[in-house]
Amino acid sequence: SAVISQKPSRDICQRGTSLTIQCQVDSQVTMMFWYRQQPGQSLTLIATANQGSEATYESGFVIDKFPISRPNLTFSTLTVSNMSPEDSSIYLCSVVANPISSYEQYFGPGTRLTVT
Amino acid sequence: AQSVTQLDSHVSVSEGTPVLLRCNYSSSYSPSLFWYVQHPNKGLQLLLKYTSAATLVKGINGFEAEFKKSETSFHLTKPSAHMSDAAEYFCVVTTFSGGYNKLIFGAGTRLAVHP
Repeated sequence: SAVISQKPSRDICQRGTSLTIQCQVDSQVTMMFWYRQQPGQSLTLIATANQGSEATYESGFVIDKFPISRPNLTFSTLTVSNMSPEDSSIYLCSVVANPISSYEQYFGPGTRLTVT
Repeated sequence: AQSVTQLDSHVSVSEGTPVLLRCNYSSSYSPSLFWYVQHPNKGLQLLLKYTSAATLVKGINGFEAEFKKSETSFHLTKPSAHMSDAAEYFCVVTTFSGGYNKLIFGAGTRLAVHP
């Protein structure tokens, strides 16, 4: 498994501003993912972030709104840009600890974002 | 395309009684399947996984799930519910897309356990 931390754990932001969420892993991993969980909903994949390449975004998510950095094998950031109340969600990062043997993902504790 | 359907959005049981959370999947190939649990204000924890080995999979906290290909089901069970089992449970299937294996989450089942 992998131990994952996220900063901040929660934040309240004003519309029109941006927030950068950090994800730190205790071991080197190739594959990292960012998810959004809207209130009372399931998880939706935003993008896949692999070190050394551009992030790959899912349908409905664009780089201008959710820029992602992946500078090394233990760290990634997700920025939520020009926020609106509809961006109020929990944002989670995850990793695949061992892509050779299985594909389960381990999740960080999440960042609870409220946009006013 | 791969997908999962959790048949119940809410399940309520009494402490000490069995738990059954139902999940059906759709997959064009032999899938990997998972159950995750999310306690209030906490992250997701992997309960158990099926990756084409034994069809009866045992997980943490006394949970288990049985992969039934003929029924395309992967129901989660526990013989005796505990108050601490109250949480949101997600059934998850893998899909290969864009060069990666990704997870597709079901809508979730909220389990309530009452005394």
